[in-house]
Amino acid sequence: GENVGLHLPTLSVQEGDNSIINCAYSNSASDYFIWYKQESGKGPQFIIDIRSNMDKRQGQRVTVLLNKTVKHLSLQIAATQPGDSAVYFCAETYSSASKIIFGSGTRLSIRP
Amino acid sequence: DTEVTQTPKHLVMGMTNKKSLKCEQHMGHRAMYWYKQKAKKPPELMFVYSYEKLSINESVPSRFSPECPNSSLLNLHLHALQPEDSALYLCASSLDGTSSYEQYFGPGTRLTVT
Repeated sequence: GENVGLHLPTLSVQEGDNSIINCAYSNSASDYFIWYKQESGKGPQFIIDIRSNMDKRQGQRVTVLLNKTVKHLSLQIAATQPGDSAVYFCAETYSSASKIIFGSGTRLSIRP
Repeated sequence: DTEVTQTPKHLVMGMTNKKSLKCEQHMGHRAMYWYKQKAKKPPELMFVYSYEKLSINESVPSRFSPECPNSSLLNLHLHALQPEDSALYLCASSLDGTSSYEQYFGPGTRLTVT
């Protein structure tokens, strides 16, 4: 079915290290991918997005990589900070779609 | 103003109660969404309104009744809920129904059904 999933439900990293959060998707028709961050007690917050005509996009301390061949998406966070602790969701959609589909999420925890 | 507000923040209700959740945005967005999120799970879409008309109902039980009085407001009326309906209810908005990729989420209402 049309589903977006994640390889790891939890990820623990040392403060200052880089974090890599992975996501697999199965809908070949999806052409737009989004990463959300959800902190405890809050709604999902947009981090970065990427269209299917790109394979890499960089933001402030974050980079999203897209590999359409294997239907894989990743979020890289540079120099992870305590404030990065949250659950990260990838989501997929396609042009003119009326909804997005969330993946299962990865909890990122930071070790001091 | 890029904020979506939701009230109340917390709600406890009995199975025979009737209550409503409210969502508001002043970004001029014409699409609004209701999601249900259980603990440790991703948000699940319930309803989508586009230009104040219901465009998507993801087979949600009738004990959940959405309402969009105007382009800035979205309500979710609750009646005869079950304990398994306890969850975080998130509202979101986007520019229009074809811009679902750029959704802004509210903080949610934490609902407990007793």
